[in-house]
Formats: sequence, C-alpha cells, structure tokens
Amino acid sequence: RKEVEQDPGPFNVPEGATVAFNCTYSNSASQSFFWYRQDCRKEPKLLMSVYSSGNEDGRFTAQLNRASQYISLLIRDSKLSDSATYLCVVNTMPNDMRFGAGTRLTVKP
Amino acid sequence: DAEITQSPRHKITETGRQVTLACHQTWNHNNMFWYRQDLGHGLRLIHYSYGVQDTNKGEVSDGYSVSRSNTEDLPLTLESAASSQTSVYFCASSESGTGSLQQYFGPGTRLTVT
Repeated sequence: RKEVEQDPGPFNVPEGATVAFNCTYSNSASQSFFWYRQDCRKEPKLLMSVYSSGNEDGRFTAQLNRASQYISLLIRDSKLSDSATYLCVVNTMPNDMRFGAGTRLTVKP
Repeated sequence: DAEITQSPRHKITETGRQVTLACHQTWNHNNMFWYRQDLGHGLRLIHYSYGVQDTNKGEVSDGYSVSRSNTEDLPLTLESAASSQTSVYFCASSESGTGSLQQYFGPGTRLTVT
C-alpha cells in the first residue's frame, strides 16, 4: 500500500463548478500536510498547508481528518487557470515529505 | 530574486555512462533535496542534505550519489546510468529547522537513458 494515495482522475469540470479531491495517508504519525500544484511539465509549487482546524484561502479550502487519515481540497468557482495536477504531500519527520501521485484537474469553458 | 536552477534541462545518455545533474540555489537554504518523478509514483526522494558536508539517503537512493561542498550546490550523480533511471529529476531546497517547511523546486531535468 502506498503511503499517500490519491484518485488520479482526471476530473473534468466546467468553469464555475465546485470540485473536491481526497487523499489518504497510511502513517498515523504524520505531522504536517500540504497541497502542491503542478502544471504540465513544470515544477510543483505550494498551494496551501493543511491545518487541523481546516483552512481557507480564497476559493480553496483544505481539511484534515486525522481519525480517518485523509485530507481534502475543495475548489469553488473553478477557473480555467485551475487546470493542473494537485499533489497531496504528507510529512512524518522533519523534511521527509511523501508525495501522492497527483490528481489531474481540467476545467473546461 | 532568489531562485533554484537545474542543468541541463534535458539530457540523453547511454546505459552505463556516468551522468551528473546540477542544482544551484540562491536562497541560502541549508536543506536541499533531489526527487525523481515517474508516472503513477509521484515524487520520490533520492537524497537530501541538511548542510555542507551532510548527505543522507532517501527512499530510492540506489545508483545515485550526492555531495555538498557548499551551501548553494547539490549535484546528483548517476554512477552507471540504467534505463530504469529515465525520469524527470527535481531539485528542491528549504530553510533550516525542525518543522515542516515549504520546499522550493527547480524547473526539473528530463533524463533519458537509452
């Protein structure tokens, strides 16, 4: 079983739609959680950290469920520019980050 | 502006050759990392360094080595390239600390081993 698992998608949604991604992790000792965004053939970039209480950044909301060992990302009012691959990242030890394989999102006009 | 660069951006080499991928950062970060990204696997950690003269093995270190002689550079060497090492390689850096800190990635190197 992979340490971090994501639905690979692809998710194809129209502009303005709300879309949610889930990610599960296997190590209950995991301490920190992140969502990264990766555009085609580009480097990953931090989208947002995920806090225990949940957090929001504009149209993006991240949630953490430690009991069930999953994190989620909700994107509201999808834009064409949101089309990318979203990587779930889980950290068990300092600087030991484990990446999911990514969920591909395509937002269509 | 601070940045992290990788060279070459694309490389084709033959099986058995030694290959070195360069990574240079001007963030003045102590922590540096090398990952490979393959379809279906996400990014996997190859080696990492917490400072000059420090190197550590990651999840998939076999066949790779790194050295850290200064803060700015962490070159990755494939001792004897194999077709299984065809991949996209990303270098990253982050600040020092025991917490989980944002990693900044270079643009990647696409390596093909024929």
